[in-house]
Amino acid sequence: GAVVSQHPSWVICKSGTSVKIECRSLDFQATTMFWYRQFPKQSLMLMATSNEGSKATYEQGVEKDKFLINHASLTLSTLTVTSAHPEDSSFYICSARDFMGHESSYEQYFGPGTRLTVT
Amino acid sequence: KNQVEQSPQSLIILEGKNCTLQCNYTVSPFSNLRWYKQDTGRGPVSLTIMTFSENTKSNGRYTATLDADTKQSSLHITASQLSDSASYICVVSAMNTNAGKSTFGDGTTLTVKP
Repeated sequence: GAVVSQHPSWVICKSGTSVKIECRSLDFQATTMFWYRQFPKQSLMLMATSNEGSKATYEQGVEKDKFLINHASLTLSTLTVTSAHPEDSSFYICSARDFMGHESSYEQYFGPGTRLTVT
Repeated sequence: KNQVEQSPQSLIILEGKNCTLQCNYTVSPFSNLRWYKQDTGRGPVSLTIMTFSENTKSNGRYTATLDADTKQSSLHITASQLSDSASYICVVSAMNTNAGKSTFGDGTTLTVKP
């Protein structure tokens, strides 16, 4: 089946620095990718929708200048957490949709996640 | 407001036993419902996806059911194994909306003990 990869799988950074997380669809093209964050024992919360070749669409309450998203190709989206602070420590997960020809018929594949710890 | 409620919140069973997880939703207009398994510290992995016309779908020891009239779904796990210990998430999508805006349940944490 389709696979979505993320890199790195975990990262520790100092407060004030920036961290880039990559999300790749390995065997399919994804015009749209999604970025989520997940706090312990909570469900995934959509942060933004990454559209290839255009600006990302951010959910309410998500700072677009802090969480920079770039979707430069059909297989790669990146999330950069700028000027990271301890409260940004979380599990970040990307996903991509593999369209199967019908609006109701698609599969959404998730990456393995990136654990970010800001000290 | 679109909502997905899962029950129970957590469940402990003995290895080899069966269990059933529940998902009730109010998402409208309904497009599809998916069950995911999420191991601790990992991304969710798809188990089943069902559209309006489907009322049951199996994936090995996992069987999902859907009642679109009552807006309920269940995930039945047979002959549980220790590796089934994980969080099981029900995700419901509405038609004509951003796929990423699917409504996520809070998940059921399943622990299988030897």
